[in-house]
This record gives sequence, C-alpha cells and structure tokens, in this order.
Amino acid sequence: GAVVSQHPSWVICKSGTSVKIECRSLDFQATTMFWYRQFPKQSLMLMATSNEGSKATYEQGVEKDKFLINHASLTLSTLTVTSAHPEDSSFYICSARYPAASSYEQYFGPGTRLTVT
Amino acid sequence: AQKITQTQPGMFVQEKEAVTLDCTYDTSDQSYGLFWYKQPSSGEMIFLIYQGSYDEQNATEGRYSLNFQKARKSANLVISASQLGDSAMYFCAMREGRNTGNQFYFGTGTSLTVIP
Repeated sequence: GAVVSQHPSWVICKSGTSVKIECRSLDFQATTMFWYRQFPKQSLMLMATSNEGSKATYEQGVEKDKFLINHASLTLSTLTVTSAHPEDSSFYICSARYPAASSYEQYFGPGTRLTVT
Repeated sequence: AQKITQTQPGMFVQEKEAVTLDCTYDTSDQSYGLFWYKQPSSGEMIFLIYQGSYDEQNATEGRYSLNFQKARKSANLVISASQLGDSAMYFCAMREGRNTGNQFYFGTGTSLTVIP
C-alpha cells in the first residue's frame, strides 16, 4: 500500500526557534497534501491544503506567516513552524492524496510530536 | 453545524464481545465518502473501512463493518470479537463531493478500551 513518511517523528525546540517538518509520499506522487494538528485527546484539525507548485490554502484561523508550507515536489511537502511558542506544542499529521480514484484516497503519515520549551 | 458527530467519548467492551461506535454526519452533497480510522497511542492514523454514499451494501473489512443508514445519516462502526489490541481512539471522517482532493472532516473521536 501507499506509504507516507514524516520526519522528524518528534522534536523538542526552544521558544522562538523555527522547526521544519517533512512529509513525503514514498511510493506515489501526491499533487495534494494536507496538514493537520491534533491536541491531546482531541480531533484532527485541518490546518492547510498543500498543492504542488502553488501556494497552500490555509484554514480560517491558521496564521500563514507562522505555519509556512512548501510543496516543492510531487513527493514532498514541508511545514515550518516559525518562532515557535509553547502553545504550538502539538501533534502534527500530514496526509497525501493518492492520485487514483480509490476509496483509500488519503494516506496519513505517522505524525510529528512537537514540544516547544 | 458539525459535519461529523461522535457522541461517545469513551467506550468499554469485554474481550471477544462486539462493540458499536456511533457516527452521524451532516452534508447536503449527494456524493460523499465516509471513513473510519484507528489511532493507537503511538499516534498514527490507521485506515479501517470506507463507505461511499452510493454504495448500497454495508462495507465490511474483516472484523470491521460499517452500519450505513443513509436516511438517518449515520455510519456506525461495528467491531466484532474485540481484541485487546483494539484499544485505541477511533475517528469517523467524511469527504464531501466527488473530488478526492477534498478535505476530510473528522469527528471528536471515541476512546475504546477492551477489557480482558
């Protein structure tokens, strides 16, 4: 089956620094990737939709200047949390749209746990 | 209005018993897809089962089945013969429209605990 990886799986950073999270589709080309955020014991909240070669579409309330998304190739999207603060600590999950019209339309990465101290 | 509603924050089931996790959805689209995902404590989202809005038969995948009641807009997940490894969070999700690039809407999840 299709595989999506994320790197790093966990990261601890100091307040004020920036952190980059990578999302890769390993065995298929993904024109669209999605970035979600999940707080403990809560649901996944869509942050933005990332399309290859174009600007990401952010959901209402998500600061585009703080959460920079770059979808530079058909297999890689990156999320950079700029000037991170403790309230940005969360679990970030990406998903990649499988190009074929099938029921398994999106494949999820394993997630990245960010802790900002 | 919530697109996906899961009213059971937590559920307990005895090992080897069946359990039903509730999910209702809200959409005016005729074409949509319904999904269930399992999220263990490690965090990864594991796809379990899919039901298309035009599918007349209830979807089944091994011990998982989806009780799809279109008129009631419900898509309950039934897990038969529960196992200890089934203890996890379970999320119901919906994708509206035909475009597979459309976003997923997730419910708030149900935490399932299987008791030995």
